[in-house]
Amino acid sequence: GQQLNQSPQSMFIQEGEDVSMNCTSSSIFNTWLWYKQDPGEGPVLLIALYKAGELTSNGRLTAQFGITRKDSFLNISASIPSDVGIYFCAGLLTGKLIFGQGTTLQVKP
Amino acid sequence: DAMVIQNPRYQVTQFGKPVTLSCSQTLNHNVMYWYQQKSSQAPKLLFHYYDKDFNNEADTPDNFQSRRPNTSFCFLDIRSPGLGDAAMYLCATRRTSSYEQFFGPGTRLTVL
Repeated sequence: GQQLNQSPQSMFIQEGEDVSMNCTSSSIFNTWLWYKQDPGEGPVLLIALYKAGELTSNGRLTAQFGITRKDSFLNISASIPSDVGIYFCAGLLTGKLIFGQGTTLQVKP
Repeated sequence: DAMVIQNPRYQVTQFGKPVTLSCSQTLNHNVMYWYQQKSSQAPKLLFHYYDKDFNNEADTPDNFQSRRPNTSFCFLDIRSPGLGDAAMYLCATRRTSSYEQFFGPGTRLTVL
């Protein structure tokens, strides 16, 4: 089936550092969504992107819809301990969300 | 607050004993989804409802069934749970005019 390549798989950073993660695919997507999942909870929608080249912010989070429509990026600035969790990208393809494998973020205080 | 609610949050069942998980939503969304998520993996779509129209994924085992008696409620029935069905089960909803899916907190299923 369709796959999204999400990287990095995991990150261990110091509090205050900026974080970048991305998703790439061989398919073109019309929508990109970024979710965060805390342990034992459901994913929470962070940012939705609808247009190629779109750059959208939500607090310290910024996400971009790649120009080729085959990739998307999420940046977190000035990380804090509560940013810990698993971040998933999801691309919309034929009406369904295709999820990346997730980036596990750990933040050291 | 409008939300997606899943009950129970934790469910323990025995191998082969039928189990039902429930999802309710106060968002009045037309579309409801059931996902299975195993440890350290992405959610995997099992099926979804567009209003009352049921759409099964091709690789969803026959062991998994679903019911949607009304807009607000959706149930996942696992007829004969196996050890491999132990997972987090996530319900999600969206309105017709948007592709943003909103997830419930999930039900963690343990099969003994």
